[in-house]
Amino acid sequence: GAVVSQHPSWVICKSGTSVKIECRSLDFQATTMFWYRQFPKQSLMLMATSNEGSKATYEQGVEKDKFLINHASLTLSTLTVTSAHPEDSSFYICSASGVAARQETQYFGPGTRLLVL
Amino acid sequence: AQTVTQSQPEMSVQEAETVTLSCTYDTSESDYYLFWYKQPPSRQMILVIRQEAYKQQNATENRFSVNFQKAAKSFSLKISDSQLGDAAMYFCAYTPRGTGNQFYFGTGTSLTVIP
Repeated sequence: GAVVSQHPSWVICKSGTSVKIECRSLDFQATTMFWYRQFPKQSLMLMATSNEGSKATYEQGVEKDKFLINHASLTLSTLTVTSAHPEDSSFYICSASGVAARQETQYFGPGTRLLVL
Repeated sequence: AQTVTQSQPEMSVQEAETVTLSCTYDTSESDYYLFWYKQPPSRQMILVIRQEAYKQQNATENRFSVNFQKAAKSFSLKISDSQLGDAAMYFCAYTPRGTGNQFYFGTGTSLTVIP
């Protein structure tokens, strides 16, 4: 149980285009979803937290207009990287919490590798 | 400030042996949760073990166990009978109860298992 999927797993795009990443909780209702960015050999850096039906809360230094987050349902959150540039190339990971009796535990998706050319 | 420290960037262990990864944290909260996550080369974060701070008993999951010392704010992970599949980056994480589940992660420990 507590499976989180992420799509796509790999994306290559041209500079200036937008890329959408989907995060789905497959077998539970995710009251909260989180988006992280991870650089090689580093820890996870929280970008934003989203609750279903509410606007996302962004961490300091994360551009809201650059990284659009939508949490339209209890099983789906999306991250859109708008007008992507090479410096946006990274590994993006989502997580979800909401499993009964383990509300505080985050379950992670497999991640999305983004390469902007 | 709430911080999580993993002082061992890299560790190695012989297959079938036991290894302990250390984690300390700083908090003024009394009720919180602690976690160890494993991130293998695939980069999928996998929950290894979870500890509730108000429980005295140390959590165990098969070959994985923790030594939770609340007064010392220490939360080490012991891996027994190490296997090649245990090779991964291990992250310690903390979240205070009732704060929206935001995690504070350590910097990670890279574990190598030597055959």
